[in-house]
Amino acid sequence: EAEVAQSPRYKITEKSQAVAFWCDPISGHATLYWYRQILGQGPELLVQFQDESVVDDSQLPKDRFSAERLKGVDSTLKIQPAELGDSAMYLCASSLGRDTPLHFGNGTRLTVT
Amino acid sequence: DQQVKQNSPSLSVQEGRISILNCDYTNSMFDYFLWYKKYPAEGPTFLISISSIKDKNEDGRFTVFLNKSAKHLSLHIVPSQPGDSAVYFCAASARDGNNRKLIWGLGTSLAVNP
Repeated sequence: EAEVAQSPRYKITEKSQAVAFWCDPISGHATLYWYRQILGQGPELLVQFQDESVVDDSQLPKDRFSAERLKGVDSTLKIQPAELGDSAMYLCASSLGRDTPLHFGNGTRLTVT
Repeated sequence: DQQVKQNSPSLSVQEGRISILNCDYTNSMFDYFLWYKKYPAEGPTFLISISSIKDKNEDGRFTVFLNKSAKHLSLHIVPSQPGDSAVYFCAASARDGNNRKLIWGLGTSLAVNP
């Protein structure tokens, strides 16, 4: 079964540094999501793309976070500068359309020291 | 305010018995519900979904029941297996113009004991 690919799996960075995560969705999936999950909580949507366009970034801290999906396929999420509170699991998901299930990658575990 | 509530943080069941995970929601506009399973250090895995036009959906050992009047859904796993031990998340969504937004519960940690 096709999977959502994410890299890196783990990232340790010092606060105030820049960090970037990459996601390659399942082929043909037009909708791509970036979520953040803190232990003991459900995933929190950061940004949603439909093809290359952002359709929801209302929960994205835009002063430090940015996301792009330039060709409507793979996507990058960046944090600059990283803060201690950004330590979390960052999950990418994709779906065929708005009424279909999301398929998640295995995430990037970020630790900010 | 939690729109999707999983009131049991954890559940322990004997292998072979039924596991019942519950989920309550407050928004009557939700019309699509999903259950996901999550192992440590992995992303959530889609299990089963149900549309609000149905009250039951079954896939192998997994059945989801929806009670719209009570704003309640449940996931039944029969028979439970040790490999089912994971955190289970309930999620619900409603149309928002041309978009949908998933609202997640906090999860229930299921332990299936051999």
